Amino acid sequence: TQLLEQSPQFLSIQEGENLTVYCNSSSVFSSLQWYRQEPGEGPVLLVTVVTGGEVKKLKRLTFQFGDARKDSSLHITAAQPGDTGLYLCAGARSGGGADGLTFGKGTHLIIQP
Amino acid sequence: KAGVTQTPRYLIKTRGQQVTLSCSPISGHRSVSWYQQTPGQGLQFLFEYFSETQRNKGNFPGRFSGRQFSNSRSEMNVSTLELGDSALYLCASKIGTENTEAFFGQGTRLTVV
Repeated sequence: TQLLEQSPQFLSIQEGENLTVYCNSSSVFSSLQWYRQEPGEGPVLLVTVVTGGEVKKLKRLTFQFGDARKDSSLHITAAQPGDTGLYLCAGARSGGGADGLTFGKGTHLIIQP
Repeated sequence: KAGVTQTPRYLIKTRGQQVTLSCSPISGHRSVSWYQQTPGQGLQFLFEYFSETQRNKGNFPGRFSGRQFSNSRSEMNVSTLELGDSALYLCASKIGTENTEAFFGQGTRLTVV
């Protein structure tokens, strides 16, 4: 059972366009993280959201946690080729994530020059 | 500040053999988690160690085991390797069990032939 559904699975757009990636679940998470992974490397933490309705911005990236803490979105403005990668959302269901993070299968993003 | 170090980076083993992977967490971090990443299943939680004790274990067979040393370094072992064990094995470091932000190493790419 995949507890975190990410969409779309694949996305290829032109440089300068905007995009949104979604992460949805029927479960409530105490926190949710977004990671970016490049081929052959480990995931790199981008942001952690904890409070329902929380919005965090990281330069051209905007992350939002749903009010019910069941879903999240990542919006990229004016995408650049350097944004290319696998974007993963991960949820922690217990206070300290002791059950391990539950990962979505990821969104493969390609930004074409 | 050094990041998470995993060794070796690449490994080729034969079916039936066993393998040991190593992970050194970020200095000061006491929690180490292991994940298996495959194209079909994405990232799946194997287990987490804190203060040399396994705190939780994912849904993997008993062939997968691990341990943590007093300096927080961790090893995972896979016995009687199967072709399906081919994957990227990732180690994640956290400050403690109450923190959900995980920092990943580059991973060990295991190929079973």
